[in-house]
Amino acid sequence: EVVLTQSPGSLSLSPGDRATVSCRASQSVSSSNLAWYQHKPGQAPRLLIYAASSRASGIPDRFSGSGSGTDFTLTISRLEPGDFAVYYCTQYVNSLIFGPGTKVDI
Amino acid sequence: QLQLQESGPGVVKPSETLSLTCTVSGGPISSTYYFWGWIRQSPGKGLEWIATIHSSGTTYYSPSLMGRVSLSIDAPKSQLSLSLRSLTAADTAVYYCARDEGKNTWFYYWGPGTLVTVSS
Repeated sequence: EVVLTQSPGSLSLSPGDRATVSCRASQSVSSSNLAWYQHKPGQAPRLLIYAASSRASGIPDRFSGSGSGTDFTLTISRLEPGDFAVYYCTQYVNSLIFGPGTKVDI
Repeated sequence: QLQLQESGPGVVKPSETLSLTCTVSGGPISSTYYFWGWIRQSPGKGLEWIATIHSSGTTYYSPSLMGRVSLSIDAPKSQLSLSLRSLTAADTAVYYCARDEGKNTWFYYWGPGTLVTVSS
């Protein structure tokens, strides 16, 4: 069974900072199904990145994704106040797996 | 603009069966391209995929919930349904329905979610 691990578990940053969130799979996975979501309390999750590096419709270019094999990264180049949230990576390998999440807060 | 809206009982007793409905508007539920999924978040925990269904009836279930969960789709009513049996307090969660943009790929459109509390 594939396990997704995210690091760090939480990040304390300021507006304007760069945020880097790592997602590591326990075995090599396909980049084509690797996605990233932003989730704020009381709201539905929001798709940010799909296929590891493609930005979803309406997502600003401050958000970028990269990686392959077992290591994937979500980068937010300049944090804005609305970016403080929990970020999840997901991958489908026999079942759809969500990573444990990374909380980005002030 | 595609919209999804979950509806359900709010509170369910332990050992009973949860039935949730997701009503889809602004687009066809019977498209052969898209799949439809259910995801939940228990209090203080992360997101958990429950299951995914295609308009053909093909379903994919989370191994951890298989045996307790079933999905169905009613194309004329543009509704998805989730049934989760033998509920425990661990099933207390916000339940979301969402459109899978392929087959077990990613979810772009989501409903706002509905809170289900399992309590006697």
